[in-house]
Amino acid sequence: NAGVMQNPRHLVRRRGQEARLRCSPMKGHSHVYWYRQLPEEGLKFMVYLQKENIIDESGMPKERFSAEFPKEGPSILRIQQVVRGDSAAYFCASSPLGGGTEAFFGQGTRLTVV
Amino acid sequence: AQKITQTQPGMFVQEKEAVTLDCTYDTSDPSYGLFWYKQPSSGEMIFLIYQGSYDQQNATEGRYSLNFQKARKSANLVISASQLGDSAMYFCAMRDDSGGSNYKLTFGKGTLLTVNP
Repeated sequence: NAGVMQNPRHLVRRRGQEARLRCSPMKGHSHVYWYRQLPEEGLKFMVYLQKENIIDESGMPKERFSAEFPKEGPSILRIQQVVRGDSAAYFCASSPLGGGTEAFFGQGTRLTVV
Repeated sequence: AQKITQTQPGMFVQEKEAVTLDCTYDTSDPSYGLFWYKQPSSGEMIFLIYQGSYDQQNATEGRYSLNFQKARKSANLVISASQLGDSAMYFCAMRDDSGGSNYKLTFGKGTLLTVNP
C-alpha cells in the first residue's frame, strides 16, 4: 500500500558494510513492524516498535541488527557488517492503535550483499 | 505460539475458473485475525482480505472470499473468475487479537498460483 513508504527499494552492499533501511508509516499509525523475507520463504517477524520504544524484538538476530523509531522521522532498520546471508527483502508494516482490520505493507527493500 | 500451514506449494487454474487456496492455522489465542496477501513477481505485499475469529460471516472483497471454518481451523481463500493478473504468490497470515497491543503477523510459506489462458 502506497501509504507505508520504504526506501530505498533496492540496496546493494559489499560484505562488511552497513545497511540502513527506512520506513515511514501510514499517517496516523503509531506502530511499526519489520519483517524479513528470505528467498522462497514467507515473511518472518523481526521487530515491533512504537515511537521511541522497542516493544518486541523477539525476531531480531542477536548481533549486527538494530531498529529504532524516533520521535521524529522514519523508522530505521540497521544492519552492521552485512554478510551474504542478509540478502533478503525487508518489509515494513504499520498499524493504528487497536490493530485494525487491515494490515498494509510498504513495497519492501531488497538488500543484496555482494 | 501461532502456526500457519499452507500445504499447496503451487496451484494451477484456468482463466475464468474459481480456485481455492488452502490455509490451516493453530493458535491458543481466544481472539485472532486471519489475513491473505498477494505477492506478484514485482515483490510488493498486497493486502487482500481479513477475517476476525468472532466474525459471524465469511469475509468477501470483490472476487476474493474467505471460507472460514473455525472448528476445523481453516481459512481458505477463494478467488472467483480467475484472471491472468491473479498469477502470484499468496500468503496466509494470522494475528493475535486477544487484547494486547502487539499486532505482529505470523505467515505461512505461501502458494504460487498460476492462471493459464
